Amino acid sequence: AQSVAQPEDQVNVAEGNPLTVKCTYSVSGNPYLFWYVQYPNRGLQFLLKYITGDNLVKGSYGFEAEFNKSQTSFHLKKPSALVSDSALYFCAVRHPDTGGFKTIFGAGTRLFVKA
Amino acid sequence: DVKVTQSSRYLVKRTGEKVFLECVQDMDHENMFWYRQDPGLGLRLIYFSYDVKMKEKGDIPEGYSVSREKKERFSLILESASTNQTSMYLCASSSYRDRGTPGANVLTFGAGSRLTVL
Repeated sequence: AQSVAQPEDQVNVAEGNPLTVKCTYSVSGNPYLFWYVQYPNRGLQFLLKYITGDNLVKGSYGFEAEFNKSQTSFHLKKPSALVSDSALYFCAVRHPDTGGFKTIFGAGTRLFVKA
Repeated sequence: DVKVTQSSRYLVKRTGEKVFLECVQDMDHENMFWYRQDPGLGLRLIYFSYDVKMKEKGDIPEGYSVSREKKERFSLILESASTNQTSMYLCASSSYRDRGTPGANVLTFGAGSRLTVL
């Protein structure tokens, strides 16, 4: 069965420090991978995606993610965290053979950035 | 610039009531989805639709039904609300026609509807 794991419920980081939010997946073949962010009292917003090509993908707000096929991971990173990055982050995976309908989400990781 | 609109941000209903959650998108997307979001569980797919009058069950369809009479509108119906359906409900849409564009395969979400069933 397809699944997405975000092993940390919460990540705390000081402003200006690098941040990493971890994600691993279990999907056969070559899945599409996504990160979404949810700010307080708002819907989910797309951050970035990996479909094919370069393993390092860049997205909105200075975020990037590295696809590692051997470790089946897609960790979200940012070189220098901002207080405004504090939000709930979701990793998601879609198997390309499902016709675009079954996007599976992880449980989410809450990021706190301290000033 | 609002693209996916959910009609109610907050609802409070009583057990046994029929509940309608409405979602409208203005992007001419073919695909529409209903998820529920619960702490520690992430988002779980309830139902989706890939065309008008078409619907498919997601991972947790029990206790829910949907209606898609027009392309832009996708309604989630709780026939008889129960307390375990207290949750945040998120509507999303996507398009086949985005293929090859930066928006390809991306879900666009509404702001969510927080339902409390007493």
